Amino acid sequence: NAGVTQTPKFRVLKTGQSMTLLCAQDMNHEYMYWYRQDPGMGLRLIHYSVGEGTTAKGEVPDGYNVSRLKKQNFLLGLESAAPSQTSVYFCASSYPRQGAAWNQPQHFGDGTRLSIL
Amino acid sequence: KQEVTQIPAALSVPEGENLVLNCSFTDSAIYNLQWFRQDPGKGLTSLLLIQSSQREQTSGRLNASLDKSSGRSTLYIAASQPGDSATYLCAAHDRGSTLGRLYFGRGTQLTVWP
Repeated sequence: NAGVTQTPKFRVLKTGQSMTLLCAQDMNHEYMYWYRQDPGMGLRLIHYSVGEGTTAKGEVPDGYNVSRLKKQNFLLGLESAAPSQTSVYFCASSYPRQGAAWNQPQHFGDGTRLSIL
Repeated sequence: KQEVTQIPAALSVPEGENLVLNCSFTDSAIYNLQWFRQDPGKGLTSLLLIQSSQREQTSGRLNASLDKSSGRSTLYIAASQPGDSATYLCAAHDRGSTLGRLYFGRGTQLTVWP
C-alpha cells in the first residue's frame, strides 16, 4: 500500500527554470493538497483540489500552478523558479467518500526537497 | 485568520517520562484538531484526530485532549521511548476556511534519550 507518493524526492534548479512536481495517491481520495514547509514558518497551503478537474488557491499560491486531470494525481508546477521557492514541498490527500468530509485525517507523502540557485 | 501555536518548541527528556505537548488556537470554530508526527526527512504521519464534539482521543500510549472554549489541545505521551523522538505538529481544521484546509503550528521537537 503506497499511500501518497511524491516525485522527485530531490531537485536543484536554476533561477528561471521550470519544473513539475508529481503527487500520486492510491487511496481513492477526493481531496488533495500541496503544502510548503519552511524553517520557522510551519506548513502553508499552496493549492488544493476537492475533486478531479477542480483546483483552488490556498494561502501562498503565487508563482505556482496546479492541475488535477486524474483523480489519483495532483501536479504542482513552477513556471519560472525563484530562490524564494526553495523549500520542502508536501502533498497530502484525504476523504475517501466515506464518513464526513470535514473529519478526515490527511495523509502525507515524504516530500520533495527543492533548491533554487 | 486562525493561528496555531505550539509550546514548547523543543523538549528533551529521559526515557520513561510522561510528557505533555501543548497546542493553542485562536478561533474555536473548528471541525477538528489533528496531531501529526514528523520524522527527519519524512512526511507527516497522522496520530490522532479529535472532532470538535469530542473531548479526547486515545491511541496506545498517546492521548490527545481538546478544550474548544479555551482554544487548547494537549498531547500526552505516556512512558516515553527513544523511538518517540520526532517533531510533533498540531493542526486546526477551521470551519471558516475552505473545507479540508488545515492551519499548522510550528511543532514541538521531542528528543527522548536512553
